[in-house]
Amino acid sequence: ELKVEQNPLFLSMQEGKNYTIYCNYSTTSDRLYWYRQDPGKSLESLFVLLSNGAVKQEGRLMASLDTKARLSTLHITAAVHDLSATYFCAVHPSGTYKYIFGTGTRLKVLA
Amino acid sequence: DTAVSQTPKYLVTQMGNDKSIKCEQNLGHDTMYWYKQDSKKFLKIMFSYNNKELIINETVPNRFSPKSPDKAHLNLHINSLELGDSAVYFCASSHPGGHEQFFGPGTRLTVL
Repeated sequence: ELKVEQNPLFLSMQEGKNYTIYCNYSTTSDRLYWYRQDPGKSLESLFVLLSNGAVKQEGRLMASLDTKARLSTLHITAAVHDLSATYFCAVHPSGTYKYIFGTGTRLKVLA
Repeated sequence: DTAVSQTPKYLVTQMGNDKSIKCEQNLGHDTMYWYKQDSKKFLKIMFSYNNKELIINETVPNRFSPKSPDKAHLNLHINSLELGDSAVYFCASSHPGGHEQFFGPGTRLTVL
């Protein structure tokens, strides 16, 4: 069974702190996506990681991909309240049309 | 300019009714999708069409029937609604071959 697991599921952190969200997947995939979802809103694309070793950064968020370990990380630097949201990773298993989403990580940044 | 739009945004209905949700994208994508997000925020793919051809049909009850009149539109019809169908339904689109998906605003379906 294809699985995409994120941890932690819930994360409460203080402003100014750093933290990492982990995304493990069980299938071969050369692409990994990170999305953000605010409460009651749609999903917004953050990063598309296309190859092993890919690293992308936008503001206080940095995503990386290790296809050999089947692991992606989303690192948060000096968190601010505006980053509070649910973050999803998703994979596109090779040879399929599907996208498999992770369980989501609900992040709350406390002022 | 709205990229992926869905109507209605909210849908409240009684058990046993039949309802439809419509989706349109103006991004020129060939592939469109329906997802269901449950109360625990878990997101699961239901259907996908590529240029009007059904390419993903997950194990959903056959009360759910998608229809794609053209590659810019994908509708979802649900017969005999049940309490367990209550969820947020998202439409998405992308270029084929694993490109990033763009999501619509969602339709919150509540079955009473």
